[in-house]
Amino acid sequence: GAGVSQSPSNKVTEKGKDVELRCDPISGHTALYWYRQSLGQGLEFLIYFQGNSAPDKSGLPSDRFSAERTGGSVSTLTIQRTQQEDSAVYLCASSRRDAEYHEQYFGPGTRLTVT
Amino acid sequence: AQKITQTQPGMFVQEKEAVTLDCTYDTSDQSYGLFWYKQPSSGEMIFLIYQGSYDEQNATEGRYSLNFQKARKSANLVISASQLGDSAMYFCAMREPIYNQGGKLIFGQGTELSVKP
Repeated sequence: GAGVSQSPSNKVTEKGKDVELRCDPISGHTALYWYRQSLGQGLEFLIYFQGNSAPDKSGLPSDRFSAERTGGSVSTLTIQRTQQEDSAVYLCASSRRDAEYHEQYFGPGTRLTVT
Repeated sequence: AQKITQTQPGMFVQEKEAVTLDCTYDTSDQSYGLFWYKQPSSGEMIFLIYQGSYDEQNATEGRYSLNFQKARKSANLVISASQLGDSAMYFCAMREPIYNQGGKLIFGQGTELSVKP
């Protein structure tokens, strides 16, 4: 079946602009995670959604970052007033809560470059 | 706080030989899960193998096996009969408890494996 998809695959933006990154999880996966991968910080958790529960936003680095998940499916990560340190690959993952290992399946990522 | 340590930034292995990628972890939780993911140059993270903290046997999945030593808090990945396609970055990750912490993954810094023909 279809895997996790993310769009755009690449995004170049000017410092100070807002960007939106989109994630389509695997159908039937109720848990959705956003991570960020950068050279300096490695792979970091950003935010987690599970069904209709309140999201776990504990990993968001600043209030410029926000995310929503509509209808328990598609998620959008928004970064306002982008800064150069926001340049990274943003990875989305989804999982089934009833899966034996709760393994997370990742999308191909969005490479964000802030100039 | 949970922490994953991978001390080998880069590793080389000859094709068809076995290789071990090291991973140690630190946690105060009794229930946790350990994962290995492969990230080829294309960038996508591929799930390889899982070990639960209560599993008494080491996990195996094809050419991948996990050498789990709970007392030493290590979860090393063993790849047997290396292939050229195994060249990639490998990440060890710990999953936080699902039911009260959502199950997010804490990743190590990764090991870049290069398989020589």
